[in-house]
Amino acid sequence: DTAVSQTPKYLVTQMGNDKSIKCEQNLGHDTMYWYKQDSKKFLKIMFSYNNKELIINETVPNRFSPKSPDKAHLNLHINSLELGDSAVYFCASSQQGNFEKLFFGSGTQLSVL
Amino acid sequence: GNSVTQMEGPVTLSEEAFLTINCTYTATGYPSLFWYVQYPGEGLQLLLKATKADDKGSNKGFEATYRKETTSFHLEKGSVQVSDSAVYFCALKGAQKLVFGQGTRLTINP
Repeated sequence: DTAVSQTPKYLVTQMGNDKSIKCEQNLGHDTMYWYKQDSKKFLKIMFSYNNKELIINETVPNRFSPKSPDKAHLNLHINSLELGDSAVYFCASSQQGNFEKLFFGSGTQLSVL
Repeated sequence: GNSVTQMEGPVTLSEEAFLTINCTYTATGYPSLFWYVQYPGEGLQLLLKATKADDKGSNKGFEATYRKETTSFHLEKGSVQVSDSAVYFCALKGAQKLVFGQGTRLTINP
């Protein structure tokens, strides 16, 4: 059983489209995150949610909207995709108070053409 | 602000070679430091950590020592195996989040 699973693994789309990436964890954790690995390969946090409540919202364009329907899910919706959104997006989870130990999904490679 | 810088990759070594992957950080105070590893097709996972200066984290034959004088946390292993091929990420503990470096891809040839 995969602990943190995200879909799709690969996403190729045209500029201007709207797309979503889904993430689910079966670890019983109460905190989930989205990280983006940029073109220089740095892994940077975008959002974190604890018990469906937004905790961290880094400097991310409004086109990115996370949605957490329950503690086990944190989806990422992106509107009006731009070329610069091409990256690998990682979902992760942890238990509140222990964000040092993150459990990651295997990533979604988004390519905007 | 807080940041982490790793040596540029990719790094290619032969089996049983000695490994060093450099990591330096910039931070206020002395944050906890981590190494995460991403094996092919998998998500990142915690490899080791150190919480204060001069601490040594170790796991699976890998070691890293927290050096506040040089603000470094270099990853070392005495004899690498093909199964160590992966991407390694150095990270530090920030405010309610981890701050990662850019990752270093390691390939071990038999």
